[in-house]
Amino acid sequence: SAVISQKPSRDICQRGTSLTIQCQVDSQVTMMFWYRQQPGQSLTLIATANQGSEATYESGFVIDKFPISRPNLTFSTLTVSNMSPEDSSIYLCSVVIAEIPSTYNEQFFGPGTRLTVL
Amino acid sequence: GENVEQHPSTLSVQEGDSAVIKCTYSDSASNYFPWYKQELGKRPQLIIDIRSNVGEKKDQRIAVTLNKTAKHFSLHITETQPEDSAVYFCAATPLQPKFYFGSGTKLNVKP
Repeated sequence: SAVISQKPSRDICQRGTSLTIQCQVDSQVTMMFWYRQQPGQSLTLIATANQGSEATYESGFVIDKFPISRPNLTFSTLTVSNMSPEDSSIYLCSVVIAEIPSTYNEQFFGPGTRLTVL
Repeated sequence: GENVEQHPSTLSVQEGDSAVIKCTYSDSASNYFPWYKQELGKRPQLIIDIRSNVGEKKDQRIAVTLNKTAKHFSLHITETQPEDSAVYFCAATPLQPKFYFGSGTKLNVKP
């Protein structure tokens, strides 16, 4: 497994502002993802964070709203831009550790960032 | 993309009874099926998984079965305890490690 940390753990923000969430892993991982979990809902994949290149976004999510960086194998950031109350959610990063390329990859989640937009 | 459906959305059982949660998937390329347990305010935790070359896997009180032909898999919890109360998510992944989650099942184990 891996130790995954996220900062901040929670925040309350005003609409129209932006928040950057950081995800740090204690070991080099092959893949990092960002998810959104709205209250009482399932996990929705936002994007795959690619090292040194643009993230790969899922349908319904765009780079202008959720810019993502991944400068190295252990760190990624997600920015929630121009926030509105509808962005209130828990944002989780997750990692896949695969020393050998495999189709069976366990995924582990960070503790999440609880965002409230007023 | 993959579509994962999960039932039931809520499940209430008496302590000591068994609980079964079922999921179906749409993409025949999916070959890895993990189950996560999420307690209130905490991150999802992997509790068991099954790979497409296996029909059943058991870990103490928890078991998972997979029917590739019918494209469904199930989580079985025996001798339930109050600490099993949580939300459970199934997931499926096609060849690349991108996970598609079910909608979740809130399990309540009554003492």
